[in-house]
Amino acid sequence: QKEVEQNSGPLSVPEGAIASLNCTYSDRGSQSFFWYRQYSGKSPELIMSIYSNGDKEDGRFTAQLNKASQYVSLLIRDSQPSDSATYLCAVNKETSGSRLTFGEGTQLTVNP
Amino acid sequence: GAVVSQHPSWVICKSGTSVKIECRSLDFQATTMFWYRQFPKQSLMLMATSNEGSKATYEQGVEKDKFLINHASLTLSTLTVTSAHPEDSSFYICRGSQGAMIYGYTFGSGTRLTVV
Repeated sequence: QKEVEQNSGPLSVPEGAIASLNCTYSDRGSQSFFWYRQYSGKSPELIMSIYSNGDKEDGRFTAQLNKASQYVSLLIRDSQPSDSATYLCAVNKETSGSRLTFGEGTQLTVNP
Repeated sequence: GAVVSQHPSWVICKSGTSVKIECRSLDFQATTMFWYRQFPKQSLMLMATSNEGSKATYEQGVEKDKFLINHASLTLSTLTVTSAHPEDSSFYICRGSQGAMIYGYTFGSGTRLTVV
């Protein structure tokens, strides 16, 4: 079992729809969770971080964390073509310092 | 805050030569620098972790004599690809961290290496 698993995708949604990206992790010692966006040919860009159970909203983005289910998700409301990218889920464990474990990424395409 | 400047953004070199990639933390002290490699349409692969003033720790399968990492100061870490070959062509990205996930979120802009 991979430490961090994401929907393999690709995921395609129409413009204006809600895009839902999911991530599960295997280590219950994980404490910090991050969503990065990576455009083709560019380095990853942090868009959301979440540390406690529940929802965290930032503009059109909402991160959801459920530690009991070892599940973290990212919702993108009112999806725009500019949101088309690969989204990477990353997890940090207290015992690993600042090391991040990444999922394989989910490619999202928002169709105009 | 937490800006990591990476240079060069792209480089083309001849097979057998060496290439140096620099990552500088501009507004924080990067006690740790992570170096990643990414092949097209693949996820990030952690190559090595370096702590300022210490030898780097390499991931399994990464040749430490080929990928030389220097982290001599809190603001600068370098990766040198020695005797580069076409199979080393990839996207190399660094990520700096100060302490336990303080300012540890930001990647450098990446270096596209092409070996011909």
